[in-house]
Amino acid sequence: TQLLEQSPQFLSIQEGENLTVYCNSSSVFSSLQWYRQEPGEGPVLLVTVVTGGEVKKLKRLTFQFGDARKDSSLHITAAQPGDTGLYLCAGDVAGSNYKLTFGKGTLLTVNP
Amino acid sequence: NAGVMQNPRHLVRRRGQEARLRCSPMKGHSHVYWYRQLPEEGLKFMVYLQKENIIDESGMPKERFSAEFPKEGPSILRIQQVVRGDSAAYFCASSRESGGELFFGEGSRLTVL
Repeated sequence: TQLLEQSPQFLSIQEGENLTVYCNSSSVFSSLQWYRQEPGEGPVLLVTVVTGGEVKKLKRLTFQFGDARKDSSLHITAAQPGDTGLYLCAGDVAGSNYKLTFGKGTLLTVNP
Repeated sequence: NAGVMQNPRHLVRRRGQEARLRCSPMKGHSHVYWYRQLPEEGLKFMVYLQKENIIDESGMPKERFSAEFPKEGPSILRIQQVVRGDSAAYFCASSRESGGELFFGEGSRLTVL
């Protein structure tokens, strides 16, 4: 059973477009993290959201945590080729901050 | 390179052999975590260790898998009598303190023939 569902699984867009990817679950998380992973590399933390309804911005990336702390979204404005990568969400159910459950990811390709 | 170092990056073993994966945490980090990424699956937590102690091994398979983080040297994830289902990418992460941000290594990709 996949605890965290990410959608879409694949996304290919042109440079300059906006996009949103989603992370959904039936479970409530004490916190949720977004990572970006390049091929052959490990995941790199982008942001952690903790409070229901929380919105965090990181340059052109906007992260939102659902009010019920079951889902999250990542919005990228004016995507650039350098944004290409696998975007993973990871939820922490127990409040441990290390026993994370990862989704399978959204593979984003931004074409120049 | 001050990041989390994992080796080998790629390891090929035949069924029944042993696999040893090593992880050196970032400088100043004393907390190490192992995750496994099976094909077509998300990363799953396996074990959390501090120096000479296993803190949480709730994600470790009950048989054939063991982990250690000795006083000196890297953390080791050991898989005995490997089977094809053990083929996966094994990622190590470290943090400075418990509950701190996880920094992941580049992973060790195990292929069992």
